[in-house]
Amino acid sequence: EAGVVQSPRYKIIEKKQPVAFWCNPISGHNTLYWYLQNLGQGPELLIRYENEEAVDDSQLPKDRFSAERLKGVDSTLKIQPAELGDSAVYLCASSVDTGTGELFFGEGSRLTVL
Amino acid sequence: AQSVTQLGSHVSVSEGALVLLRCNYSSSVPPYLFWYVQYPNQGLQLLLKYTTGATLVKGINGFEAEFKKSETSFHLTKPSAHMSDAAEYFCAVTSNTGFQKLVFGTGTRLLVSP
Repeated sequence: EAGVVQSPRYKIIEKKQPVAFWCNPISGHNTLYWYLQNLGQGPELLIRYENEEAVDDSQLPKDRFSAERLKGVDSTLKIQPAELGDSAVYLCASSVDTGTGELFFGEGSRLTVL
Repeated sequence: AQSVTQLGSHVSVSEGALVLLRCNYSSSVPPYLFWYVQYPNQGLQLLLKYTTGATLVKGINGFEAEFKKSETSFHLTKPSAHMSDAAEYFCAVTSNTGFQKLVFGTGTRLLVSP
């Protein structure tokens, strides 16, 4: 069974440029999460989708971050424009449901903003 | 609000020695508790979880953890460390009511020396 797939693995951009990350969850997993992981910190939830609906985006900085999950399968997280402080690892995870906390994570997309 | 505190950002042990990674939680409702492991350049992987029932839970790779309500703790142990156990370990908590938002600790890096 394929795991959660994320791309790109690494991205280096200059500040004020846009960037997008893509995630394909495990087949059959209706719930999809985007987490932000700063260096030396634990993951922090940015947004959670139930199928195509964003049901928790309270931690997503909406002035520059956006996300979508068309057709309730894969998802894209966008930052425009990027700032120096956005340098971090962006993790995507999926789960069968939201009841058990058992999330399956992708390898992450490491963003460096210069 | 729920939270977890992981004592010690780094723990060093010798190969074959006991591994003890500490986690204390705060929750106003009965918690679900988790340990995730993150190997270098990889996504997080579920190690073990406590939801209800037996307070001593066993996970993959010989790890186990014990839920102690009186101490609000969920420490992770392994009798004998192996070089391959070197990784970052995250404790996480969620609740058993409503939508369960997984909250991670800041992580403990386990270093294993020969």
